[in-house]
Amino acid sequence: AIQLTQSPSSLSASVGDRVTISCRASQGISSALAWYQQKPGRSPKLLIYDASSLETGVPSRFSASGYGTEFTLTISSLQPEDFATYYCQQFNSYPQTFGQGTKVEIK
Amino acid sequence: QVQLQESGPGLVKPSQTLSLTCSVSGGSTGSGDSYWAWIRQPPGGGLEWLGHIYYSGSTYYNSSLENRVTISADSSKKQISLKLGSVTAADTAIYYCARCLMGYSGYDRWGQGTLVIVSS
Repeated sequence: AIQLTQSPSSLSASVGDRVTISCRASQGISSALAWYQQKPGRSPKLLIYDASSLETGVPSRFSASGYGTEFTLTISSLQPEDFATYYCQQFNSYPQTFGQGTKVEIK
Repeated sequence: QVQLQESGPGLVKPSQTLSLTCSVSGGSTGSGDSYWAWIRQPPGGGLEWLGHIYYSGSTYYNSSLENRVTISADSSKKQISLKLGSVTAADTAIYYCARCLMGYSGYDRWGQGTLVIVSS
């Protein structure tokens, strides 16, 4: 199975900060990657599909890039509602797998 | 707007079979534009893909579940079902159903999830 390693596992940031989360795949997955946001007690919410496409309704402060084995999710200016856990997921091969998550906390 | 709702027993005894249903509203499970997955999350843990089913009935499962999982669909009822056999405490989790549009990498619709506890 393809392993996805997210870094960092957690981070503390302030409102207005620029935040970058990395997702590294154990083998190439082209652009078959999604990013989700999950808040406590809620279902995951799709932010990014196909590695860099912004899901409808998601604020433009979220962006993502990458191809192959290296991917990043960027929040350009962190807002109070962005404090959550973020997951990447690969769709290149079975089984589909998720990263372990990155928890974004308030500094 | 497609909405998904999971339902089923919240408590299952060890060695028994966990059975859940996902009801889809606002869309069809029988169209060729999407596939439907089950994903779970242990309390305080990460996400695990269990498997998915296409409108044609073709299924893909996570081999880590060692052939314990079965996903089926009833398009007339607009329902997706999950069966997980021989459960143990390690199968305690929130179980989600989710939709992925064909040709896209991303589950764009999720149910609210249902907690299943495996305990005697």
